[in-house]
Amino acid sequence: EAQVTQNPRYLITVTGKKLTVTCSQNMNHEYMSWYRQDPGLGLRQIYYSMNVEVTDKGDVPEGYKVSRKEKRNFPLILESPSPNQTSLYFCASIPPGRSSYNEQFFGPGTRLTVL
Amino acid sequence: GQNIDQPTEMTATEGAIVQINCTYQTSGFNGLFWYQQHAGEAPTFLSYNVLDGLEEKGRFSSFLSRSKGYSYLLLKELQMKDSASYLCAAALYSSASKIIFGSGTRLSIRP
Repeated sequence: EAQVTQNPRYLITVTGKKLTVTCSQNMNHEYMSWYRQDPGLGLRQIYYSMNVEVTDKGDVPEGYKVSRKEKRNFPLILESPSPNQTSLYFCASIPPGRSSYNEQFFGPGTRLTVL
Repeated sequence: GQNIDQPTEMTATEGAIVQINCTYQTSGFNGLFWYQQHAGEAPTFLSYNVLDGLEEKGRFSSFLSRSKGYSYLLLKELQMKDSASYLCAAALYSSASKIIFGSGTRLSIRP
């Protein structure tokens, strides 16, 4: 089954404690992206990656890091989380070619609370 | 700057037609995505318009006017399950690139 998986699904942590949210896709997509979703602000792109070892900043990259060492995985790293990073996070992957866009998927989401 | 506007909320009647508008002002534009998101779930892809005009896909159609910075999503024969948020998003450089989302339109369907 084609899917994007994220772990953990829920996390409560404290300010300053480094954490990683994993994202993995089994569709061999080159493009992956991370978003955060906040009430009234919609989805905002954090980072995206167009292929292995190629990453670029989205709209709100401050406080986040990513890596793309292999095609299937795109972890999101919060080196020193702060309360303003409390949010719902989505990972997504998009296949190449517009005719395949119905095969793009978002992960189930990770609800992060930073105290 | 980058700006995408869509109405916050809309209400429509089961069986009717509803049009959700989206206007955008972005530096760079490749195409316009529409997604559906039910409460508590991940967004799902509906359409991607690159060229001007209307594209129809079953009960859903999406329109784009690049010169006007305008798009709409048209939902026909509304069903209760269409109650969801609809997200408009502009891809700036290519479809797999920087993507800017609007804040979403929450559509409620009444019987």
